[in-house]
Amino acid sequence: AQSVTQLGSHVSVSEGALVLLRCNYSSSVPPYLFWYVQYPNQGLQLLLKYTSAATLVKGINGFEAEFKKSETSFHLTKPSAHMSDAAEYFCAVSERSGNTPLVFGKGTRLSVIA
Amino acid sequence: SAVISQKPSRDICQRGTSLTIQCQVDSQVTMMFWYRQQPGQSLTLIATANQGSEATYESGFVIDKFPISRPNLTFSTLTVSNMSPEDSSIYLCSVQELSNQPQHFGDGTRLSIL
Repeated sequence: AQSVTQLGSHVSVSEGALVLLRCNYSSSVPPYLFWYVQYPNQGLQLLLKYTSAATLVKGINGFEAEFKKSETSFHLTKPSAHMSDAAEYFCAVSERSGNTPLVFGKGTRLSVIA
Repeated sequence: SAVISQKPSRDICQRGTSLTIQCQVDSQVTMMFWYRQQPGQSLTLIATANQGSEATYESGFVIDKFPISRPNLTFSTLTVSNMSPEDSSIYLCSVQELSNQPQHFGDGTRLSIL
């Protein structure tokens, strides 16, 4: 069965610093991978997705993630944190075989310090 | 991407009562999903709702507690029956337009049971 591990339930960075949120997946074949963001009192918004094209994926709000098959990782990065990036971030995985539900990681709460 | 509207956005209910949550999409979609997000937790899939067939429930969720309707390709409802304080959660619907496309989420329904 697929699973996703997000290292660090809470990450705190200074404004302007690099953001790195870690995600590792467990799957027998390379899956589809996603990062979602949840702002307070809102639903989930798609940040970016990996579905087998380029391994470096650019998303919205300056975020990007790199798919590394050898490390089974899909870490999310942003060069310079902004106060508005403070939110909960979820990594998710689904199978390539068809319409299958997402399996979510436990989430990482990002705090940005002025 | 599809625009998803959920109603109500929040509610406070008495234990023992039932609440029906509506999910409306602005385009026809094959796959709709219902998730639960307990306080401070990640998302857990309740069921997959396809038009014209019975919903498929995940382990730990049963139809008597969470009946789902999917009368057409743009609408679904989730009912939380005989509610108890343990049902206090955010309930989110999501849609997937094509099998290789990401899921998109509504803003969720924040439910508190007294």
